[in-house]
Amino acid sequence: DAGITQSPRHKVTETGTPVTLRCHQTENHRYMYWYRQDPGHGLRLIHYSYGVKDTDKGEVSDGYSVSRSKTEDFLLTLESATSSQTSVYFCAISESIGGSAGELFFGEGSRLTVL
Amino acid sequence: ILNVEQSPQSLHVQEGDSTNFTCSFPSSNFYALHWYRWETAKSPEALFVMTLNGDEKKKGRISATLNTKEGYSYLYIKGSQPEDSATYLCAFLSGSARQLTFGSGTQLTVLP
Repeated sequence: DAGITQSPRHKVTETGTPVTLRCHQTENHRYMYWYRQDPGHGLRLIHYSYGVKDTDKGEVSDGYSVSRSKTEDFLLTLESATSSQTSVYFCAISESIGGSAGELFFGEGSRLTVL
Repeated sequence: ILNVEQSPQSLHVQEGDSTNFTCSFPSSNFYALHWYRWETAKSPEALFVMTLNGDEKKKGRISATLNTKEGYSYLYIKGSQPEDSATYLCAFLSGSARQLTFGSGTQLTVLP
C-alpha cells in the first residue's frame, strides 16, 4: 500500500471556523491532489501540487487554499468553513502525469462536517 | 471543464452474470484514461491506465478497452461475484492538463 496518511480522519466544526486537513506521504511522489467526494458528483479536484511550493486550482477551488512546503506534506485549508463544504476529502498522490506512472494512490479520506 | 460521462449510473446484476459499462470522454487531445474501483468505506484503487487507441487491459475477470478516436472506453466484468460490488470510476487526462477529470461513476451491485 502507498504510504499516504490523512489527518484528521473525522472532524466536526462550526460554520465560520478555519479547518486544516493534512496529507502526508512517504513515497516521495511529485504530484499531490485534494479531491472532494459528493453524491452524484464522484470526485472533484479542489487543488493540486506539482512540486514544493507549486500549486494550482482545480475544478472546485473556491473557499479553499493549499500549501506544500515539503515534498511529503500537502495541506488543505478552509479559511472559514461553510455547510456546503461538508464532504469527504481525499488526498491522492502520483509519481508523474500520464502513462502508467500517472496512476493515483489515494489516502483513506477525511470526513468533515460543518454545522 | 472537460465532460466525462459514465453509464449506467447504477447496475444490479446476479452473481455469475457478465456485465459492462461505458466511459465517454472528449475525443480530441487525448493523453490517458484511467479506471478505478471504489468499494464502500474504502479508497479508490487503480485498475487500469490506458494510453493507446485500441488498448485492451485485463486483470483477472475484469478487462477494459479503449477507443480514443470516438472517445469511449468499456469496462467488462466476466462472471460477476458479490465482491465485485463497488463504484467504478473512469478518469480522463487530456494532453494539455496536469490533472485527471473523473466521471461520476457506475455503482455495481452483484446479488448473490
